Amino acid sequence: EPEVTQTPSHQVTQMGQEVILRCVPISNHLYFYWYRQILGQKVEFLVSFYNNEISEKSEIFDDQFSVERPDGSNFTLKIRSTKLEDSAMYFCASQEIRNEKLFFGSGTQLSVL
Amino acid sequence: SQQGEEDPQALSIQEGENATMNCSYKTSINNLQWYRQNSGRGLVHLILIRSNEREKHSGRLRVTLDTSKKSSSLLITASRAADTASYFCATDAATQGGSEKLVFGKGTKLTVNP
Repeated sequence: EPEVTQTPSHQVTQMGQEVILRCVPISNHLYFYWYRQILGQKVEFLVSFYNNEISEKSEIFDDQFSVERPDGSNFTLKIRSTKLEDSAMYFCASQEIRNEKLFFGSGTQLSVL
Repeated sequence: SQQGEEDPQALSIQEGENATMNCSYKTSINNLQWYRQNSGRGLVHLILIRSNEREKHSGRLRVTLDTSKKSSSLLITASRAADTASYFCATDAATQGGSEKLVFGKGTKLTVNP
C-alpha cells in the first residue's frame, strides 16, 4: 500500500533555530496536512494545503510556521525560530479526495532544547 | 468547537472480551472517522462512517453513528493483545465551503491483557 514518508524521524534543535520537517505524500493525493501531538495529548491540526496554497490554518500556525511544496512531491513544514513549546511529534498526512480518509506518516519527533 | 471527545479515556480488558469506545461531537458533520495509534507511531485509518449511515462493519470493528445525539461508538469484538493502542475519533465540519480538516478527540487508550 502506498505510504506517506516523513524525514527525519527525530530532530533535536536548540531554541531559536530553524527546522524543516519533510514529507513525501502519496503521489496522486491532492490535499495535504500537518498535525502535531504533544506527548500524551490530542492530535492538533496545524495547516491544510491544496492547489499550492494554504487552505486553512489553526491558531497554532503563526508567523513562525510556513509550508511549501517546492517540487511537486515534497511537502515541508518550516519553523523559523523554534520555542521550547514546539517540542512535539509532527505528522504529515495526505488525502486523495476531500472528506475521505487521511493517510499519515510515521511522524517527526521534534525536541527543542 | 467541533471536537470529538472520546470516553472512556482509558480502558483495560482481557483478551477475548469486547471493547466499546464512545465519541461525542458538537457540530454537523459530513462523516466521522476512527483512527488507531500505536505508541509513538502515526495514525492509521480504521473506518469511516458517513452522516447518512447508522452502522458500519469492518472485520472485528463495528461503528455506529447517531447524528441526533451527535455521538458514535466503536466496538472491537474478540479483542487481541495486538489491539492495544490509542483510538481516536475525528470529525469534519459540514459547512458550505467549509473546513477540509479533520478534528481529533483526545483518544481512548485501550489495553488488552493476554
